[in-house]
Amino acid sequence: QKEVEQDPGPLSVPEGAIVSLNCTYSNSAFQYFMWYRQYSRKGPELLMYTYSSGNKEDGRFTAQVDKSSKYISLFIRDSQPSDSATYLCSLNRDDKIIFGKGTRLHILP
Amino acid sequence: KAGVTQTPRYLIKTRGQQVTLSCSPISGHRSVSWYQQTPGQGLQFLFEYFSETQRNKGNFPGRFSGRQFSNSRSEMNVSTLELGDSALYLCASSLAARIGSPLHFGNGTRLTVT
Repeated sequence: QKEVEQDPGPLSVPEGAIVSLNCTYSNSAFQYFMWYRQYSRKGPELLMYTYSSGNKEDGRFTAQVDKSSKYISLFIRDSQPSDSATYLCSLNRDDKIIFGKGTRLHILP
Repeated sequence: KAGVTQTPRYLIKTRGQQVTLSCSPISGHRSVSWYQQTPGQGLQFLFEYFSETQRNKGNFPGRFSGRQFSNSRSEMNVSTLELGDSALYLCASSLAARIGSPLHFGNGTRLTVT
């Protein structure tokens, strides 16, 4: 079983829609959960960082963590064409960091 | 504040050669980590340095090595290059001393091995 699974997409949605991106993981030892956005020919940039179960909101972005189900989500409200990118989930514990393979997202104008 | 800077942006090497990549972290960041990104395997952790000491290492062969200097700048070296080493190599820096802190990535070095 892979340590983290993330649907690679591509996911195409119309502008203004709510986007839901998800990762599942297998090891309950992971403590910190992050979402990164990566544009073409650029390095990943941090979007959201959380370490507890529940929701964390920042502008149009909401990160959700369910440790009991080993499931994390990123929601994007009022999606814009500029949100078109690859989104990577990241799971950390004290001695290890792993990344999902990324979901390619296309927001259609 | 300047971001993480990686040089060069692009490299083309032949099998058997070696290569050195450079990374300058954000000013004040003492943790520097390196990652390999490929379409097939995604983003994979290579190693992490803090105050010139390697604190953690991923599952890569010994051909991959790194070091960090007293000014926190870091270099990564790959010896005896193989075709499978073609990838985007990303460097990231972090302010906090704890492994797993939020990372600030550079734009990477695209290495092509022919």
